[in-house]
Amino acid sequence: DAKTTQPPSMDCAEGRAANLPCNHSTISGNEYVYWYRQIHSQGPQYIIHGLKNNETNEMASLIITEDRKSSTLILPHATLRDTAVYYCIVRPNSGGGADGLTFGKGTHLIIQP
Amino acid sequence: DTGVSQDPRHKITKRGQNVTFRCDPISEHNRLYWYRQTLGQGPEFLTYFQNEAQLEKSRLLSDRFSAERPKGSFSTLEIQRTEQGDSAMYLCASSLFPGDRSTYEQYFGPGTRLTVT
Repeated sequence: DAKTTQPPSMDCAEGRAANLPCNHSTISGNEYVYWYRQIHSQGPQYIIHGLKNNETNEMASLIITEDRKSSTLILPHATLRDTAVYYCIVRPNSGGGADGLTFGKGTHLIIQP
Repeated sequence: DTGVSQDPRHKITKRGQNVTFRCDPISEHNRLYWYRQTLGQGPEFLTYFQNEAQLEKSRLLSDRFSAERPKGSFSTLEIQRTEQGDSAMYLCASSLFPGDRSTYEQYFGPGTRLTVT
């Protein structure tokens, strides 16, 4: 799986949009970008994933650059409950073969009141 | 709520003892995964099952570790002769394969925190 690079920490004011960047310059054509988050003392939680088109769901938006070498997760109106470690993961979506997720250290997002 | 459950949530054991953890996946999910997470690090993949078959094991899974999923439902992870380096959070996740594109995500349980003294 391609390697990802994320800033170790970020702050964001409550109510503002939180934009979390991820670099994945070695991504392959069949690899998707996944985002998970882990709130303190809980298991990771799936947020969103995409291949090359921008994606939006009830939790967040995912913007992937045209060359697919980087992406940004956007939490449109951050709340205190969004304080968590956010992981960007790149992996094939085949579902077969190697299926374990490779987590890095992620970005610790702190929402300030 | 019928999410992934793990038992126990916390376990303290002395070095050299054996421990066993249990994971109950979401009922219709056929894939089950085990991860380990140490302080300040992201989760590390250990192994996964599809139904009762263990399809992949990480090199992190030493011979002191064994995982089973005998009936394709719940799974157990046993650590024999525990060492202080085994202290970590052990996370279980499940998924449905082959789901549609929207169901390739893994659903995680709350984890079992192991402390080896």
